Amino acid sequence: GEDVEQSLFLSVREGDSSVINCTYTDSSSTYLYWYKQEPGAGLQLLTYIFSNMDMKQDQRLTVLLNKKDKHLSLRIADTQTGDSAIYFCAERRRSRSGGYNKLIFGAGTRLAVHP
Amino acid sequence: DAMVIQNPRYQVTQFGKPVTLSCSQTLNHNVMYWYQQKSSQAPKLLFHYYDKDFNNEADTPDNFQSRRPNTSFCFLDIRSPGLGDAAMYLCATRQGVQEKLFFGSGTQLSVL
Repeated sequence: GEDVEQSLFLSVREGDSSVINCTYTDSSSTYLYWYKQEPGAGLQLLTYIFSNMDMKQDQRLTVLLNKKDKHLSLRIADTQTGDSAIYFCAERRRSRSGGYNKLIFGAGTRLAVHP
Repeated sequence: DAMVIQNPRYQVTQFGKPVTLSCSQTLNHNVMYWYQQKSSQAPKLLFHYYDKDFNNEADTPDNFQSRRPNTSFCFLDIRSPGLGDAAMYLCATRQGVQEKLFFGSGTQLSVL
């Protein structure tokens, strides 16, 4: 299919690690992204990874990329209540016309952090 | 310090009554996008402008049009809204080949 797929909901306890998973479709995608959306706000870029990498770490965030399986994950260490939000995975894909790149988003994973 | 500003935050229109959503940016970015996001679904790209060049997605209904009179402003016109057009409409910008999209807070459109 052409969809970027994510599980819709994840609940974790404060202080634990969160792992949000995503599968994408285009093996030629050069960049993959994680965006965060808090209530009433727009999407905000958290991090992105280039396809020639298999891991990227940025403070509490770790992105893992498995190109063979077209699987992307976002790990949030020491999850806090402020991390509660919707997390969107996205792949950069060439348009059918080939004239430009565009981002294809998943439906988002709602992360709930409880005490 | 909002950089991508969408107005209004909530818009209610009647079935078949034309409606315009607006987006402005203070970033001077050359690329502007319109996405449609329905509840619990992925944001879906409708079209985008690269400078003045308009790029329409193949599956965007003809009912949806866009205008970009200058770098700062971009409008989404829905000529005859149907009930299925009720959604959150997100505007985003990007500069050149940078990978980061900057999103506005969105306009939630209701169609009665």
